[in-house]
Amino acid sequence: QVQLVQSGAEVKKPGASVRVSCKASDYTFINYGISWVRQAPGQGLEWMGWIDTYNGNRNYIEKVQDRVTMTTDTSTSTAYMELRSLRSEDTAVYYCARVDSSGYTVDYWGQGTLVTVSS
Amino acid sequence: QSALTQVASVSGSPGQSITISCTGTSSDVGSYNLVSWYQHHPGKAPKLMIYEGSKRPSGVSNRFSGSKSGKTASLTISGLQAEDEADYYCCSYAGRSTWVFGGGTKLTVL
Repeated sequence: QVQLVQSGAEVKKPGASVRVSCKASDYTFINYGISWVRQAPGQGLEWMGWIDTYNGNRNYIEKVQDRVTMTTDTSTSTAYMELRSLRSEDTAVYYCARVDSSGYTVDYWGQGTLVTVSS
Repeated sequence: QSALTQVASVSGSPGQSITISCTGTSSDVGSYNLVSWYQHHPGKAPKLMIYEGSKRPSGVSNRFSGSKSGKTASLTISGLQAEDEADYYCCSYAGRSTWVFGGGTKLTVL
């Protein structure tokens, strides 16, 4: 059974950085991309970006592209999402999710990581 | 890249059918038959219910069906059950390994 297990909740001050990890298991990590999606309190899901786990190619949405970096460690089948210069509006649950073999559908999701930005 | 448009809430009684629509643009829903639908219970991971517009993953009830016409995709749930109460999100592939989600629809089973 495909599993994506994310790191635990974080509390950060404005201006700090956070790194969320996502460890994949029970599938061949480099054969599937990883997307990151977030959900702010009371809001809908927002796709943030994608990384090709095979070659490291990535796309980010414009609103975070200057502050986000998505990476992978293929030796441990782990994806990472780092967000810098945190603002209160970055408070959200962050999900990693696998992109299926077609490359077009996000199929399996991690359990989510709550990141709270507060002074 | 703007969010896809979904009605905020919909409700139905057990046994009834409901349809949730998802309207996009010519850059996403209108260009690709690659809309997926997710069921999201608060505090849990979203679950894929429909992909590529109308396909059901293994294990998803055939009470869930999807369709698309032009720039609007739809999710229909027939024979509503109490456990269907959740938030539902559409998501469209938008080209060059980018995706866009809808704002979500809260389904209440009366």
